[in-house]
Amino acid sequence: GDSVTQMEGPVTLSEEAFLTINCTYTATGYPSLFWYVQYPGEGLQLLLKATKADDKGSNKGFEATYRKETTSFHLEKGSVQVSDSAVYFCALDSRDDKIIFGKGTRLHILP
Amino acid sequence: DAGVIQSPRHEVTEMGQEVTLRCKPISGHNSLFWYRQTMMRGLELLIYFNNNVPIDDSGMPEDRFSAKMPNASFSTLKIQPSEPRDSAVYFCASSFAGTNEKLFFGSGTQLSVL
Repeated sequence: GDSVTQMEGPVTLSEEAFLTINCTYTATGYPSLFWYVQYPGEGLQLLLKATKADDKGSNKGFEATYRKETTSFHLEKGSVQVSDSAVYFCALDSRDDKIIFGKGTRLHILP
Repeated sequence: DAGVIQSPRHEVTEMGQEVTLRCKPISGHNSLFWYRQTMMRGLELLIYFNNNVPIDDSGMPEDRFSAKMPNASFSTLKIQPSEPRDSAVYFCASSFAGTNEKLFFGSGTQLSVL
């Protein structure tokens, strides 16, 4: 079945560092891909998405490019802030209308 | 719109007791999802509804779990009897028109079963 694999955390970085969180997927066909973010004590919220190969999703300085050849959707940010500390989830929409989530990657940004 | 509303925010109960979690989806949304989040397993889809009808409940862990959606604006997840291993954060999410391109999540219910 469809699945999402993302790098395990926690990831700890200093403020203004470059961020990459790896995500790869297994799916039939070409699903839409998402990154969701969960701040402490809250539910998940959509950060960005890409619906077809080579699309780049971007929001709040974060970017991810849909790579069909490597079945990847890595999340990047050039300069992280303390306020980016959260849990990040990679996800895809499966053929049966379910959103499949990865296990999440906890990010800590140190001032 | 107030977003997806879940209640209670926190629930502490003793093993063997019945627990009922509640969810009010965003008005107009016709898909509703129940998820469970734990450190060990991450985010698991328990069940989802489309137009108030359960479509896939394969993620419901056991017969102790049941979910209903009597109308478009309300859903419940019930655990009877509850066990300590049910302790987790339970999220409800809704979306529009079956596109599922964007799920809106509630703030979750933190359940502790002692």
